[in-house]
Amino acid sequence: DQQVKQNSPSLSVQEGRISILNCDYTNSMFDYFLWYKKYPAEGPTFLISISSIKDKNEDGRFTVFLNKSAKHLSLHIVPSQPGDSAVYFCAASDSGAGSYQLTFGKGTKLSVIP
Amino acid sequence: KAGVTQTPRYLIKTRGQQVTLSCSPISGHRSVSWYQQTPGQGLQFLFEYFSETQRNKGNFPGRFSGRQFSNSRSEMNVSTLELGDSALYLCASSLGYDYTFGSGTRLTVV
Repeated sequence: DQQVKQNSPSLSVQEGRISILNCDYTNSMFDYFLWYKKYPAEGPTFLISISSIKDKNEDGRFTVFLNKSAKHLSLHIVPSQPGDSAVYFCAASDSGAGSYQLTFGKGTKLSVIP
Repeated sequence: KAGVTQTPRYLIKTRGQQVTLSCSPISGHRSVSWYQQTPGQGLQFLFEYFSETQRNKGNFPGRFSGRQFSNSRSEMNVSTLELGDSALYLCASSLGYDYTFGSGTRLTVV
């Protein structure tokens, strides 16, 4: 049972436009969400996170939106740059359970076309 | 500051052998987690250690084990290797809820 789903395996966007990556989760106990960017043969790089007490968090070109009622979050990248081309992973954790683990989606490969 | 360091970067082993991977966390981070990444399953949680104690374990067979030392460095061991163990093994360290990952160890079992 996949608790975190990224339904789009890939996304292509023109340079300068907005990239929107989506993520859905099923476990209502998840209360902390993170986005990671990953290049091949490297470890994931932390981008941005959001707690369930918020519905938006911004950091430069990156904004994450959380819709708890829909169990949905999205990552917006504006403007998109060719260097943003990578695989993006959504991850979730249940901070109250003491489980100390991240549950990841399977990733969305973003291609930013110059 | 130094990041999470994993050694070795690449490893080739034969079926039936065992392997030990090492992870040095960011200085001051006491929590170390391990994940396995494969093309079919994505990133899956193996286990997490804090102050030398395993606090959580994922759904992997007993052939996968780990430990943490008093300096927070961690090792994971896989015994009786199978072809399906070929993967990128990632270590992450954390101070709170944000996890910093190392570059991983690419294990190939032949």
